[in-house]
Amino acid sequence: KQEVTQIPAALSVPEGENLVLNCSFTDSAIYNLQWFRQDPGKGLTSLLLIQSSQREQTSGRLNASLDKSSGRSTLYIAASQPGDSATYLCAVKEGTSYGKLTFGQGTILTVHP
Amino acid sequence: DTEVTQTPKHLVMGMTNKKSLKCEQHMGHRAMYWYKQKAKKPPELMFVYSYEKLSINESVPSRFSPECPNSSLLNLHLHALQPEDSALYLCASSRPEAGGGELFFGEGSRLTVL
Repeated sequence: KQEVTQIPAALSVPEGENLVLNCSFTDSAIYNLQWFRQDPGKGLTSLLLIQSSQREQTSGRLNASLDKSSGRSTLYIAASQPGDSATYLCAVKEGTSYGKLTFGQGTILTVHP
Repeated sequence: DTEVTQTPKHLVMGMTNKKSLKCEQHMGHRAMYWYKQKAKKPPELMFVYSYEKLSINESVPSRFSPECPNSSLLNLHLHALQPEDSALYLCASSRPEAGGGELFFGEGSRLTVL
């Protein structure tokens, strides 16, 4: 059974810091990995999708890497801002392009001015 | 347009009521999903439809009944729910073909069962 772990569970940083969120998964036979953010009481917003054949993806201040063989992904956020405060979830998709998405428990990020 | 629209945003129902949650997308996606999220927990998969056919049912109790009337719509019919079914219900969609698979979520329907 696939298990996804995110470290740290919570992170509080001052504005402007660069930070790294970690995600690990137990079964490397994944279809893709996706990073989301979730604001309190809201739905999930897709940040980055990395296909299993890719090593990294970038969008603005965000960069996500994937090392499938070691079962790890990192989300790098550059020059953090208070608006980045949210819960960040990583999720791995198994089997097929419409297969099951298994989520980590999330990292609660607080960026203070 | 990367929007998935869910209605209603909030729903309160008694244990004997019958209600439905609705989800709509116009991105041409042919895979649609229902997830359930309890407070401070990650979403858990309930159902997956691919090309309007149910492809995954994660052993969900029969009091939850999904329906996919066409490629743009997904419903979740609710009957005889329990208070522990209170949660945020999230709908998502994706392109099912190879190279696709990015999920787009709606804002959710917050359900309270009294």
